[in-house]
Amino acid sequence: SQTIHQWPATLVQPVGSPLSLECTVEGTSNPNLYWYRQAAGRGLQLLFYSVGIGQISSEVPQNLSASRPQDRQFILSSKKLLLSDSGFYLCAWGQLKLFFGSGTQLSVL
Amino acid sequence: AQSVTQPDIHITVSEGASLELRCNYSYGATPYLFWYVQSPGQGLQLLLKYFSGDTLVQGIKGFEAEFKRSQSSFNLRKPSVHWSDAAEYFCAVGAMDSSYKLIFGSGTRLLVRP
Repeated sequence: SQTIHQWPATLVQPVGSPLSLECTVEGTSNPNLYWYRQAAGRGLQLLFYSVGIGQISSEVPQNLSASRPQDRQFILSSKKLLLSDSGFYLCAWGQLKLFFGSGTQLSVL
Repeated sequence: AQSVTQPDIHITVSEGASLELRCNYSYGATPYLFWYVQSPGQGLQLLLKYFSGDTLVQGIKGFEAEFKRSQSSFNLRKPSVHWSDAAEYFCAVGAMDSSYKLIFGSGTRLLVRP
C-alpha cells in the first residue's frame, strides 16, 4: 500500500534562517506531488506541484522553492525565512484524489 | 482559472441535527469536485468525490453531496451529526490537465453542540 511521510511534525525557526521540509512517498512510482500551505484561519494554498523528477511548477511567487531530486521525494526549501512563512505545510500525492501527509507546523519567530 | 468558495467560515449544529455545508465552484468545464475533512493538526482525509454520473454522491462517515450544475454548487450534507464530526471541511475542484492539482476553498469549521 502507498504511504506518505512528512517531517518534521513541528519546527520553530528564527527569521532569516534556512528551511528544508521533506516529503517521501512509498508504494507508488512517478506520483504527482504537491506542497500546500495552510495559514491560521485560512484555507489551503497550493504552493508547488511536480509531475516528474526535476519538474517543478510554482503557483505563487514567494520566498520558497521546491525540488524533486528523486521520483518519490519532494523538498520544500527557503534560504531565509520570513515571519509570513509561518503556517501548516502539507505534502500530498495523487492525481485528483490526493493523499496527504500529516503536516509540518512551522513557526517563524 | 478554477476557484472554490465556501461562504460559511463557522457553522454550529447540535448533535443529532442535520448539516449542510455550502460550496460553490468556478470552472470552465465539467468539474471534478471533492470534499475533504481535517481534524486539528492533522492532514486531510477524503470524504467523497464527484467525477461524473449520478449527481448525488455518497461518501464515508454518512456524508453525501449533491452536484448542481445550474447553481455551480456541491453542497455537503449529513442527516444526523455526531460529536466526532467536529472538524474543518474543505471543498475542492480538480484540474483536468496533467497537473491534476486541486484548488481548495477556505474551509468551514464545524462545531457540534452536545
